[in-house]
Amino acid sequence: DSGVTQTPKHLITATGQRVTLRCSPRSGDLSVYWYQQSLDQGLQFLIQYYNGEERAKGNILERFSAQQFPDLHSELNLSSLELGDSALYFCASSVVGRGEQFFGPGTRLTVL
Amino acid sequence: AQKVTQAQTEISVVEKEDVTLDCVYETRDTTYYLFWYKQPPSGELVFLIRRNSFDEQNEISGRYSWNFQKSTSSFNFTITASQVVDSAVYFCALGNDMRFGAGTRLTVKP
Repeated sequence: DSGVTQTPKHLITATGQRVTLRCSPRSGDLSVYWYQQSLDQGLQFLIQYYNGEERAKGNILERFSAQQFPDLHSELNLSSLELGDSALYFCASSVVGRGEQFFGPGTRLTVL
Repeated sequence: AQKVTQAQTEISVVEKEDVTLDCVYETRDTTYYLFWYKQPPSGELVFLIRRNSFDEQNEISGRYSWNFQKSTSSFNFTITASQVVDSAVYFCALGNDMRFGAGTRLTVKP
């Protein structure tokens, strides 16, 4: 158990809908990262937050957004969902910006 | 541009064989971090090692060892005396913008 929690574990929704994925980092970790893992794209970095501020952006679509709250938990919002957004979404946390990251169990999103 | 290449898509070995997973990276940064992660069939990503660019010492942890060579931009991972439980997908990653390689699926047969 990495100490990072993600909810929900599974999410099934329809195209055009909006969903929110939630992540709680390990106690003491200020950095939160979001990743998307799909069969065709592999594991892709989406976005990083550090102590509430956006720190780095990867291949995140404009339809996606994230934020980190004062209690350090983070949410990833996915809107106008498309079939291709079906993937496993991981959250990870670390103490410092470039330290080892500890991953949550992931949220499996299925868009029908 | 940052890039990580894991040329071996799949490797299959028999238990107790040694196996090396290759990782080649590209970066213009002078300071960077490299990582290896394991993703077993259960799906979670497990941190294995972090190496920073100014520490080229090889590292050994039990049956696992890592060979970092800056001259060839490689950070290879060797499992000695492989076991069935080592079966997983292994990812190499370059830490400055968290770029992951495509992963190598290792299957260890009994």
